[in-house]
Amino acid sequence: DIQMTQSPSTLSASVGDRATITCRASQSISSWLAWYQQKPGKAPKLLIYKASSLESGVPLRFSGSGSGTEFTLTISSLQPDDFATYYCQQYNSYSQTFGQGTKVEIK
Amino acid sequence: EVQLVESGGGLVQPGGSLRLSCEASGFTFRDYAMSWVRQAPGKGLEWVSGISGSIYSGRNIYYADSVKGRFTISRDNFKNTLYLQMNSLRAEDTAVYYCAKLAYGDSPDYMDVWGKGTTVTVSS
Repeated sequence: DIQMTQSPSTLSASVGDRATITCRASQSISSWLAWYQQKPGKAPKLLIYKASSLESGVPLRFSGSGSGTEFTLTISSLQPDDFATYYCQQYNSYSQTFGQGTKVEIK
Repeated sequence: EVQLVESGGGLVQPGGSLRLSCEASGFTFRDYAMSWVRQAPGKGLEWVSGISGSIYSGRNIYYADSVKGRFTISRDNFKNTLYLQMNSLRAEDTAVYYCAKLAYGDSPDYMDVWGKGTTVTVSS
């Protein structure tokens, strides 16, 4: 199976800060990567697909980049609603896998 | 409004069985692949199983190694419902189980719509 490793596990930041989360795949997945946001007690929400395509309705402060094995989710200016846990997911192989998650918390 | 509503969760003893259902509305269910994803308490997301839609509907089925041979995914396109039959349940199957719609007709793909989840607890 393809392993997905996110860093950091926890990111402490303030409103207005730029936040960057990295996701590394154990082998090349081309651009078959999605990012999800999850708040406590809620279902995940799709933010980004195909590494850099923004899902409809998602604020423009969210962006994704990367290909191959290294990917990045960037939040240009953190808003109060953005404090949550973020997961990457590869869909290059039938056995899809998620990263372990990055919790973005208020500093 | 596109919606997925899971049901069927509950408390079951180790070795027991449970069938989860996911009723879809607001989109043409038969055209899309579907998946089950679970989340153990305090843990991350784990993909469990996927089933194709569209012209491949039901023909392509995939499982995570952790559930292969114990879980069976299926769909009823007339009832707009996805199922997960879970047998030989173990304590480590305890989780919230989410139903998710994939963006296209076959797996693998990203998941653009999620249900709210149903909780399965395996305990004696």
